[in-house]
Amino acid sequence: QSVLTQPPSVSAAPGQKVTISCSGSSSNIGNNRVSWYQQVPGTAPKLLIYENNKRPSRIPDRFSGSKSGTSATLGITGLQTGDEADYYCVTWDASLTAGVFGGGTKLTVL
Amino acid sequence: QVQLVQSGDEVKMTGASVKVSCKASGDTFDTSGVTWVRQAPGHGLEWLGWISAYSGNTNYAQKFQGRVTMTTDTSTNTVYMELRSLTSDDTAVYYCARGGVSASGLDPWGQGSLVSVSS
Repeated sequence: QSVLTQPPSVSAAPGQKVTISCSGSSSNIGNNRVSWYQQVPGTAPKLLIYENNKRPSRIPDRFSGSKSGTSATLGITGLQTGDEADYYCVTWDASLTAGVFGGGTKLTVL
Repeated sequence: QVQLVQSGDEVKMTGASVKVSCKASGDTFDTSGVTWVRQAPGHGLEWLGWISAYSGNTNYAQKFQGRVTMTTDTSTNTVYMELRSLTSDDTAVYYCARGGVSASGLDPWGQGSLVSVSS
């Protein structure tokens, strides 16, 4: 059972938009920055979003992040088949004094 | 820009220890430190802990306290993660990544090191 809650799976058609939620509490998301990672099976995760809503320069602006209260959201527009992957949120938990990951969300582009 | 290169896959017996290395090439580790994460087969990502590559200060997940040690060798730009008293539950791919989860994200990541534990 992960400290951060993500939907196990989401799906959408090519060209469409999808959002992935990450729900936590005041001890983690509510008072700390969230980052998001994409992991294609069999490969290492890759940073998509850091500090809630910032993108590394190499990440296209189809990917966006936001945070409100104790939840964070990853948005992906203009879906491509290459976006099929597992997506994880992570942040710091002050009560646990540890990093905490969401359980991951599998994105299927139909 | 920095790349992180990890040591090779390992096969260990129950009760043994494993030490995984993570070497920075192309640049040195910066002040954001190094985070270790693992992923058991078919499971999600799990945070093991963080080490400052310069001071050696560490922060371990409660779950691994007493069983994990992270160290750094500044002369070779390498950090290490040792896990002791291995069980089959420790079978996983172990990743290092530059940075901390409360800082500017984990980037880049090493390629991963598979540790297989069998009896």
